[in-house]
Amino acid sequence: SQQGEEDPQALSIQEGENATMNCSYKTSINNLQWYRQNSGRGLVHLILIRSNEREKHSGRLRVTLDTSKKSSSLLITASRAADTASYFCATDLGFQKLVFGTGTRLLVSP
Amino acid sequence: DTEVTQTPKHLVMGMTNKKSLKCEQHMGHRAMYWYKQKAKKPPELMFVYSYEKLSINESVPSRFSPECPNSSLLNLHLHALQPEDSALYLCASSQSSEWGAGNTIYFGEGSWLTVV
Repeated sequence: SQQGEEDPQALSIQEGENATMNCSYKTSINNLQWYRQNSGRGLVHLILIRSNEREKHSGRLRVTLDTSKKSSSLLITASRAADTASYFCATDLGFQKLVFGTGTRLLVSP
Repeated sequence: DTEVTQTPKHLVMGMTNKKSLKCEQHMGHRAMYWYKQKAKKPPELMFVYSYEKLSINESVPSRFSPECPNSSLLNLHLHALQPEDSALYLCASSQSSEWGAGNTIYFGEGSWLTVV
């Protein structure tokens, strides 16, 4: 399977803390994207990082990419209860055929 | 709010029924996608349309039949489904699906399908 792995599978933190999720993948990629999914809802695009980039920021989000290790991480700083959701990494193998990771379920408690 | 609209939000159908899921986007995107997501699993790609032509079919059973009437619309026709086909069906779009395009892919809210 080309599917990526994410860890942890589940993460429970308090509001104000930082949350870090890791993604590992198996093949060469064109870019890697992170998505958020609230329970039973559609996917919301968070950030895209290209294979020639190493780090990218967007608001409270920081994404890193290490193509030599085939891994990426998503850091959410100063978490809020509204950040509670599942987070997926998705690798674009070149033809915008996204392969999603297994996901991390984040619970942020007030 | 998503700019990819899917209808219906919920659908219950029998195994002998014929139904359709609909998807619409007005962002001028030329690539559209169907994904299937089972509970607590990641989405899995089913079909990709590029410039209204089917470009990728991920070995999906023929009881699922996609259709792209124009660049803004994408349908998924359903016939003789099985209970195991019950899932969230997600439509998505992007500017293109060409090699190396690296475009952001936008998803709709999904259609929950239950086959009884």
